[in-house]
Amino acid sequence: DTAVSQTPKYLVTQMGNDKSIKCEQNLGHDTMYWYKQDSKKFLKIMFSYNNKELIINETVPNRFSPKSPDKAHLNLHINSLELGDSAVYFCASSQETSVWYTGELFFGEGSRLTVL
Amino acid sequence: EDQVTQSPEALRLQEGESSSLNCSYTVSGLRGLFWYRQDPGKGPEFLFTLYSAGEEKEKERLKATLTKKESFLHITAPKPEDSATYLCAVQSTQGGSEKLVFGKGTKLTVNP
Repeated sequence: DTAVSQTPKYLVTQMGNDKSIKCEQNLGHDTMYWYKQDSKKFLKIMFSYNNKELIINETVPNRFSPKSPDKAHLNLHINSLELGDSAVYFCASSQETSVWYTGELFFGEGSRLTVL
Repeated sequence: EDQVTQSPEALRLQEGESSSLNCSYTVSGLRGLFWYRQDPGKGPEFLFTLYSAGEEKEKERLKATLTKKESFLHITAPKPEDSATYLCAVQSTQGGSEKLVFGKGTKLTVNP
């Protein structure tokens, strides 16, 4: 009974291809995120959605496009993949977006993307 | 820009050997400091939130403390199952953002 699930777990593809990663949460949370963990292990936020609306968009190339069909799903589509996109992408969700946000994020297990 | 620096990068302990991990931060108004645990091949798992200097939180063998410039995660009599990477993150009060800024983590290995 996974709380935040991502698919696929592993993705190996060629430069220039387009790929998607899907994320679903069954916690009833209203906010979902995409984080990127690069080879240096830094975990950096990419996007945040609250009730299907984009609320955080860090300086991410516009080749990355998040899509939230409903508040339980947040997908990440990546166009024209580059070598530097190789990383582990984590989906996460949280219960609230108020100023008293607790910092408790629920992460998925990650999707390891390798671009050859 | 908000920054989080964790030290050491890696720490090896014998079972039962207590130690501390450090997280120093630079942030424009601290809303909260958070500790997460990450096991290999898994997503980070939330441990603690600290809001103000002097605050402490405990969970089993872990105790997190906070000062105005840094946080410590004290591990008392660790067991091999405590082996993981421990991540520290901060959230600033600027802009009402829900963004967490993470450090690189400390990889802890506890040998039996």
